[in-house]
This record gives sequence, structure tokens and C-alpha cells, in this order.
Amino acid sequence: DVKVTQSSRYLVKRTGEKVFLECVQDMDHENMFWYRQDPGLGLRLIYFSYDVKMKEKGDIPEGYSVSREKKERFSLILESASTNQTSMYLCASYPGGGGTGSRETQYFGPGTRLLVL
Amino acid sequence: QQQVKQSPQSLIVQKGGISIINCAYENTAFDYFPWYQQFPGKGPALLIAIRPDVSEKKEGRFTISFNKSAKQFSLHIMDSQPGDSATYFCAAGYNFNKFYFGSGTKLNVKP
Repeated sequence: DVKVTQSSRYLVKRTGEKVFLECVQDMDHENMFWYRQDPGLGLRLIYFSYDVKMKEKGDIPEGYSVSREKKERFSLILESASTNQTSMYLCASYPGGGGTGSRETQYFGPGTRLLVL
Repeated sequence: QQQVKQSPQSLIVQKGGISIINCAYENTAFDYFPWYQQFPGKGPALLIAIRPDVSEKKEGRFTISFNKSAKQFSLHIMDSQPGDSATYFCAAGYNFNKFYFGSGTKLNVKP
């Protein structure tokens, strides 16, 4: 089974702190994604990466950066945490290469619930 | 703007009833429409998915109905069970580069 793990389930940080969220997948997937999940807004894409050292902005990249130094690890960085970044953060991975079937999916981690005070 | 619109926001169904969740999209380039199920404390997991070349896909009690001309698709849960109580997200994507998610529907199936 594909396993996507996130370094923390819960985090409490103070405004202005630099925050690192780590995500690791064990299936050699090429693509990795960071989303934030907020009630009534669904999942919104922050950043994604097709390969090591490659990154693409998603729909809401402001206030965030990412790092992918190794294929299995994708980090989300909040340079200076703000209260409006309090949210659930979900990491996902996908094998890549597209597909023609109907079971392709992104595999999600359990999420990190971040509270910024 | 929101690429995928989902309704209702919440749904209460009696055990054995039919749960129906609807989604609409605008971008005709979308070619993959998955539904995800999320239980509290867990990440979303794929439930069922459809491509636009078919109008219906059924897996057990779960069915996707797809209307390409109306740019709408829906999830039907037949014989709903309390264990189906979860949040459901529809999504749409193309080339698996990006997925756009609906806002989610919280389903509560009462025993």
C-alpha cells in the first residue's frame, strides 16, 4: 500500500515563526502536492512538484514556499506564520505519467492541523 | 473563481436511504472526475472515479452519474449506512497535473 506520512498531526505556532511541514511518500512517486483544507472551501492547492528540485505554484501560493531535495520528501514552509494560515494541511503524492484508467488517484497523508496564535 | 461547485454543503439521510451529492464544472478540458471520501482525522481517499466517455459508473452501492453536455456529475449512495457518514469531495482534473476540488459535503446517515 502507498503510504504518505506527515511529520506532525498537530502543531501550534506563534505569529511570525518559520514553520516547516514535512511529507514523505514511500512509493517512488514523481508528483507531490500540498493542499490546505478549510471548512466550506474544500481543498486548495498551494504548491506541487513534478520532480526533484522542481516546483510549481498552485492556486494559493502566497505566504508559502516548498522544497523538494529528494524524491520521497516534499516540505512546505511558512516563512512567517500568520493567523490566517491556521488550517489543515494535506500532502498528496501521485505516480505520474498520466493514465487512461479510472482508478488513478492522488494518495493523501493524514494531514497536519496547524494553529497559529 | 471556483472551478468545481459542489452541493449540498451538508446532508442528513436515514439509514437505507439514497444520498445524492451534486457537482458542476466549467472547464471542458477536464477529463477525470474522482470522488473522495474523508473520515475525521484522515486524509481523503479515492472512492470512485469516472472519465467523460461514459455516463455512469457503478461500484457496489456507489454510482457516479455524468452529464457531459450539462457539465455536471453526481454521486449516489444507495442503501446509505451509518458507516458512510463522512465528508465527500468531488474533484476534476486533466493530465493529472492539477486537481480542482469541490467544497465538500458532510454526510450524516442516521440509524
